[in-house]
Amino acid sequence: SQKIEQNSEALNIQEGKTATLTCNYTNYSPAYLQWYRQDPGRGPVFLLLIRENEKEKRKERLKVTFDTTLKQSLFHITASQPADSATYLCAPSSGANNLFFGTGTRLTVIP
Amino acid sequence: DVKVTQSSRYLVKRTGEKVFLECVQDMDHENMFWYRQDPGLGLRLIYFSYDVKMKEKGDIPEGYSVSREKKERFSLILESASTNQTSMYLCASSPHRDRGRWIGSYEQYFGPGTRLTVT
Repeated sequence: SQKIEQNSEALNIQEGKTATLTCNYTNYSPAYLQWYRQDPGRGPVFLLLIRENEKEKRKERLKVTFDTTLKQSLFHITASQPADSATYLCAPSSGANNLFFGTGTRLTVIP
Repeated sequence: DVKVTQSSRYLVKRTGEKVFLECVQDMDHENMFWYRQDPGLGLRLIYFSYDVKMKEKGDIPEGYSVSREKKERFSLILESASTNQTSMYLCASSPHRDRGRWIGSYEQYFGPGTRLTVT
């Protein structure tokens, strides 16, 4: 069955540094991969979507890469700020009726 | 801004009760979804709908049913609530730009969630 692993449950970094979050998947080949941000007690908020034929996508301070050979997506936040503290979810999709979410990585940016 | 609203933020029900969770979106989106979120398990898709009166099973449909009588409204029904259905329930909607049905190709807009406790 499909499996999604996000590198760690929690990641702490200093303000101003680049945060790198990892999403690894096994047993399937997603054509799309989405990243969401979730704050405590709230629904996820869409950030970026990358397709299998795209190596990299950027939006302001955010960058996502998608390596179908390694079966991995990396999510980067440059010049991180305390306001970036949240849980980040990856969601690869390989078929018409699926969008599987990882359990998330809780990022804390320390001032 | 897309707005997805859910009927309750917190709900407490007894085992065996019939439970209705309502979701409304105001952006004329074709697709609507119901998920549950549990610690350590992440978000899991229960059902989704790509059109009025249409529904598709997600990963964990057992014990749930859905209804979509109007485009903007998608209801999740627990026919006979059980304690293992205690969870955070999240509704989402997404646009359907090219008429394709590959749900992973569209961004989803989530509601605030309903925390359901079944005692």
